[in-house]
Amino acid sequence: GIQVEQSPPDLILQEGANSTLRCNFSDSVNNLQWFHQNPWGQLINLFYIPSGTKQNGRLSATTVATERYSLLYISSSQTTDSGVYFCAGGYGNNRLAFGKGNQVVVIP
Amino acid sequence: EPEVTQTPSHQVTQMGQEVILRCVPISNHLYFYWYRQILGQKVEFLVSFYNNEISEKSEIFDDQFSVERPDGSNFTLKIRSTKLEDSAMYFCASEPWDYNEQFFGPGTRLTVL
Repeated sequence: GIQVEQSPPDLILQEGANSTLRCNFSDSVNNLQWFHQNPWGQLINLFYIPSGTKQNGRLSATTVATERYSLLYISSSQTTDSGVYFCAGGYGNNRLAFGKGNQVVVIP
Repeated sequence: EPEVTQTPSHQVTQMGQEVILRCVPISNHLYFYWYRQILGQKVEFLVSFYNNEISEKSEIFDDQFSVERPDGSNFTLKIRSTKLEDSAMYFCASEPWDYNEQFFGPGTRLTVL
């Protein structure tokens, strides 16, 4: 199966700071999604981004499919951005392979 | 906005008991999935389902697991004889016919005692 590496595993941010999370894939994927897992364990869809760049408010994501990586940018971070961010790539019949996540803590 | 729903939100069971986890995918979606997440670990694929049959399954999805779409709206995961190591959050996901973004339900937290 496909291996997904996320970095950094843990990140502590001062409120208002910017950050970049990275996701590398061991092989090509036909789908790429970013999720935020909230404190209740729910997986919230952030981006569906098999290639290119998308923006949604203070979040944006870029996927370079040919180089098998994706980046998630958080700008002007807020305490509500705290949580675990997962990237996942689809392969086969679109089964998603998840990374171990980026644990983000935003402190006021 | 349509969303995937799952019931129950939390299930506690004794080892060896059967459990059925229920999901209602987004209407008009055609592809359905189950994933699980053991506490503190990454999310793992279990099984995908399309056109009333399993299209792919992982090595985790052994004979104690089964899936069913008993009617036009529900999608269920059955664990026949639960083990302690089955304790996890179980997520259902569905995907539309025309692009392959998966939408996840809120999860069922299964605790096996």
